[in-house]
Amino acid sequence: DVKVTQSSRYLVKRTGEKVFLECVQDMDHENMFWYRQDPGLGLRLIYFSYDVKMKEKGDIPEGYSVSREKKERFSLILESASTNQTSMYLCASTPGTDYYEQYFGPGTRLTVT
Amino acid sequence: GQNIDQPTEMTATEGAIVQINCTYQTSGFNGLFWYQQHAGEAPTFLSYNVLDGLEEKGRFSSFLSRSKGYSYLLLKELQMKDSASYLCAVSSPFSGGYNKLIFGAGTRLAVHP
Repeated sequence: DVKVTQSSRYLVKRTGEKVFLECVQDMDHENMFWYRQDPGLGLRLIYFSYDVKMKEKGDIPEGYSVSREKKERFSLILESASTNQTSMYLCASTPGTDYYEQYFGPGTRLTVT
Repeated sequence: GQNIDQPTEMTATEGAIVQINCTYQTSGFNGLFWYQQHAGEAPTFLSYNVLDGLEEKGRFSSFLSRSKGYSYLLLKELQMKDSASYLCAVSSPFSGGYNKLIFGAGTRLAVHP
């Protein structure tokens, strides 16, 4: 079974803090994704990566950056957290192209106060 | 623009059949996915349609009409455990020749005894 894990289920941070969200997949998948999920808006793509050290902006990259130093690990970084970044963050991976299903991690519920 | 519409909430009775509709307008189309998401959990893959017609998988079926920009998910013999959100997502061309998933806001289904 594919397993995608995220470093924390719940996280509370203060405004202005630098926040790291970690995602690890164990199936040697090429592509990894970061989404945020907000009520009434669905999942929105923040960044994705199709290879080590490669990244592409998604639909809402502002205020975020990413890092992929190893194939199995994809990190989302909030350089200076703000209250409007309070959300559920979901990581996903897929073997190759988007014709494959995406496998999701359990999510991190981030609250910025 | 890119738009995916699905009803916000639906209710149904245990043992019944329910149909969740999804309409989409996207700049490209490389297939449509349905995901199930229980509260507080990760989305899990249910079905993928790329050609017109009906795909059946046990109690769940998914239909696609590309000319109408329309899909539905049909759940038969409803069980209490089917209470969840159902996410419709379209795979659409993105920058660099990659595809991304565009998600609808999800349909929250409540199954009652």
